[in-house]
Amino acid sequence: NAGVMQNPRHLVRRRGQEARLRCSPMKGHSHVYWYRQLPEEGLKFMVYLQKENIIDESGMPKERFSAEFPKEGPSILRIQQVVRGDSAAYFCASSPRERGSEAFFGQGTRLTVV
Amino acid sequence: QKEVEQDPGPLSVPEGAIVSLNCTYSNSAFQYFMWYRQYSRKGPELLMYTYSSGNKEDGRFTAQVDKSSKYISLFIRDSQPSDSATYLCAVIPGGYQKVTFGIGTKLQVIP
Repeated sequence: NAGVMQNPRHLVRRRGQEARLRCSPMKGHSHVYWYRQLPEEGLKFMVYLQKENIIDESGMPKERFSAEFPKEGPSILRIQQVVRGDSAAYFCASSPRERGSEAFFGQGTRLTVV
Repeated sequence: QKEVEQDPGPLSVPEGAIVSLNCTYSNSAFQYFMWYRQYSRKGPELLMYTYSSGNKEDGRFTAQVDKSSKYISLFIRDSQPSDSATYLCAVIPGGYQKVTFGIGTKLQVIP
């Protein structure tokens, strides 16, 4: 049973471009969480999704960021018009039920904005 | 005030030492308490998970929660160089709610 798969592992974007981060949850997991880890800061919750539904996006910046978890395919975190401050490690976690405490994390996508 | 406070370290100990890692939290509503280990350039992995107060032991690791003082601890016995990592405490109010992490303490175990 493969773990949570995130791709790409590393992503370089120029300011103003779009970044798309993908997360395939563990088999049988229908709950996905996205976190961001900035240098010198801890992991910060961004958004919690179930299949086709955004449940809690209280940690998402109001502009430029969006997330989806379609019926088929991976969850996508999309950042439009990236800025240098978006450079961070983005982690996805998945769980089999509505319990963040039971979530397994992926290896993360390291976004660098140049 | 941050919801979870954790000393970022770094903390260096000799191999075989007992390591004590600690966090404080601000919200008495928190019910679930976790410790994660994160190796460099990797995702966090859950080490210990405790509900409410008390102790939990798993091999060389012991987690303690003192809700009266809002204090959580992780003890590592007979520390090994392979324990060198960043340790993140985390809390969750209850149910599914978003996990709130401490900043993490970087631990180095010196052979």
